[in-house]
Amino acid sequence: KAGVTQTPRYLIKTRGQQVTLSCSPISGHRSVSWYQQTPGQGLQFLFEYFSETQRNKGNFPGRFSGRQFSNSRSEMNVSTLELGDSALYLCASSFEGLAVGGHNEQFFGPGTRLTVL
Amino acid sequence: DAKTTQPNSMESNEEEPVHLPCNHSTISGTDYIHWYRQLPSQGPEYVIHGLTSNVNNRMASLAIAEDRKSSTLILHRATLRDAAVYYCILSASTQGGSEKLVFGKGTKLTVNP
Repeated sequence: KAGVTQTPRYLIKTRGQQVTLSCSPISGHRSVSWYQQTPGQGLQFLFEYFSETQRNKGNFPGRFSGRQFSNSRSEMNVSTLELGDSALYLCASSFEGLAVGGHNEQFFGPGTRLTVL
Repeated sequence: DAKTTQPNSMESNEEEPVHLPCNHSTISGTDYIHWYRQLPSQGPEYVIHGLTSNVNNRMASLAIAEDRKSSTLILHRATLRDAAVYYCILSASTQGGSEKLVFGKGTKLTVNP
């Protein structure tokens, strides 16, 4: 079974631009979560999508948005990029998502390394 | 969100057991304890999880204190491939009714040959 894939793997943008990152989950998985990883803040949860609906959201400004398509593929968008948005953006998929009272193993992709100049 | 506290780094020798501690004194009754690890240049991968009882799988064991305020990930025989950052994570319930993973800073494990 193919793992979670993320494209592109590396990206360089300048301040003020916008960027779209893509994530293809494992076949059959319906939940996709996005995380931001920086040396200073570590891994921080951005949002989770399940069956095309945003089900969870972390504490990030509105410049960070996402969506999920009917085939469970997901995209996240960052508008008006700032230097502090430079990070590794990780996508994780699971079958049921983060269901209450249970555990659903999250399968992470290799990430997209975004550098904002 | 309930938080976890882990040592920044630990060292071990190859083929010796490793005990990675995690404190989570504000854990709620419904929070699961998850462990993930991140190998260099890779995304995190699942190791083990538990709620109240100790758990074993092919990768590791998880020992959970009776009061659930701490837990220990046990690697029975460390290999060089186990060198990674290990994250102890609590799943936090959200207002929407589902949960999110709250990562701490993690413990960087170095395994010496």
